[in-house]
Amino acid sequence: SQQGEEDPQALSIQEGENATMNCSYKTSINNLQWYRQNSGRGLVHLILIRSNEREKHSGRLRVTLDTSKKSSSLLITASRAADTASYFCATDQAGTALIFGKGTTLSVSS
Amino acid sequence: DTEVTQTPKHLVMGMTNKKSLKCEQHMGHRAMYWYKQKAKKPPELMFVYSYEKLSINESVPSRFSPECPNSSLLNLHLHALQPEDSALYLCASSQDGDRGGLGTQYFGPGTRLTVL
Repeated sequence: SQQGEEDPQALSIQEGENATMNCSYKTSINNLQWYRQNSGRGLVHLILIRSNEREKHSGRLRVTLDTSKKSSSLLITASRAADTASYFCATDQAGTALIFGKGTTLSVSS
Repeated sequence: DTEVTQTPKHLVMGMTNKKSLKCEQHMGHRAMYWYKQKAKKPPELMFVYSYEKLSINESVPSRFSPECPNSSLLNLHLHALQPEDSALYLCASSQDGDRGGLGTQYFGPGTRLTVL
């Protein structure tokens, strides 16, 4: 069963705009990870944030984690057409397997 | 080498066929995973191997049979599948977890399976 719930399900923006996706989960976690998937391809790891961290940056990506609200957000700044993909959050709740959320489909038009 | 390879890329099989999916990694990872992904859905965990031993089976039907011949290889044997088993099958690997939990999972490109 999926633990993470992403919001929104779909997001359409113009190149250069920022994109924000949110993820909520239900139980305590060890860490939360974000992955990107281009259509019909494998998933690519973007960033991992541990439960004792509040914010992490990687290039144009910024991830926040609020364990009190059981939520995380992924911000992509200055979006490009190449950022068009599905984005999934995944939670490690028991140290044995990741549970993936339903995903957000991002479309960036030029 | 941070690559996970999967073969074949595409597979079409009948319900009476027997086929196998193959996954390989040379990153020294000791955890390997099989996921099933239907269109517009997230990956669903099927099996986890840790140190070449099956550690998690998410109640997968016996028509799917995993095998881990060595630390670099993971197979998924398929027999008597149903059309609803058509999906993208993804393999992944990861380092052992540490105090911060499971690490990054590296995914292969997947095998697109169609069952007729």
